[in-house]
Amino acid sequence: AQTVTQSQPEMSVQEAETVTLSCTYDTSESDYYLFWYKQPPSRQMILVIRQEAYKQQNATENRFSVNFQKAAKSFSLKISDSQLGDAAMYFCAYHGSSNTGKLIFGQGTTLQVKP
Amino acid sequence: DGGITQSPKYLFRKEGQNVTLSCEQNLNHDAMYWYRQDPGQGLRLIYYSQIVNDFQKGDIAEGYSVSREKKESFPLTVTSAQKNPTAFYLCASSWLAGGYTDTQYFGPGTRLTVL
Repeated sequence: AQTVTQSQPEMSVQEAETVTLSCTYDTSESDYYLFWYKQPPSRQMILVIRQEAYKQQNATENRFSVNFQKAAKSFSLKISDSQLGDAAMYFCAYHGSSNTGKLIFGQGTTLQVKP
Repeated sequence: DGGITQSPKYLFRKEGQNVTLSCEQNLNHDAMYWYRQDPGQGLRLIYYSQIVNDFQKGDIAEGYSVSREKKESFPLTVTSAQKNPTAFYLCASSWLAGGYTDTQYFGPGTRLTVL
């Protein structure tokens, strides 16, 4: 069975600095998708970034980028120029190539941004 | 505006009662999902549906039921058989592409509390 692990329950970063959130996963599938979702205090899950496993190029979305290491099964999220609005819980999620649509979530990392 | 709506935002249930959580989407998505989130944890899949009048159990379906009579709607009923229903419930939807589910987008959630 696939699993997703986020080993950092809490992280903090100074405003305007850069922070990296870690995620590792375990799977025997060769084709899959990985996601980072943000859950602010409102608790709505917001898609931050998506990576397709067959693409070697790391995904980027404005200040958010990933470091995808397929062989190491690692998928970290880098937030550059951190802003106060980035404070939230961040979840790493895995979606296999089967058509069930099931997302497997990590336990989450709470990010604090200090002014 | 296109999006996913959930109602109510807060719901209180007495012991032994069934309650129904609403989820509606106007994104023309094919697939819809229900997840449960407990404090400090990631999301777990309850049920999902890829087409009207068809749905499948997720990892924690016991004590829950769903229906999919319309493409836009996927209500979740929490029955009295659910032993610990107090949680945050999130609905999501996605397109199907080539038989595989695409990125999932989430509604704002419903907080259910058993009194």
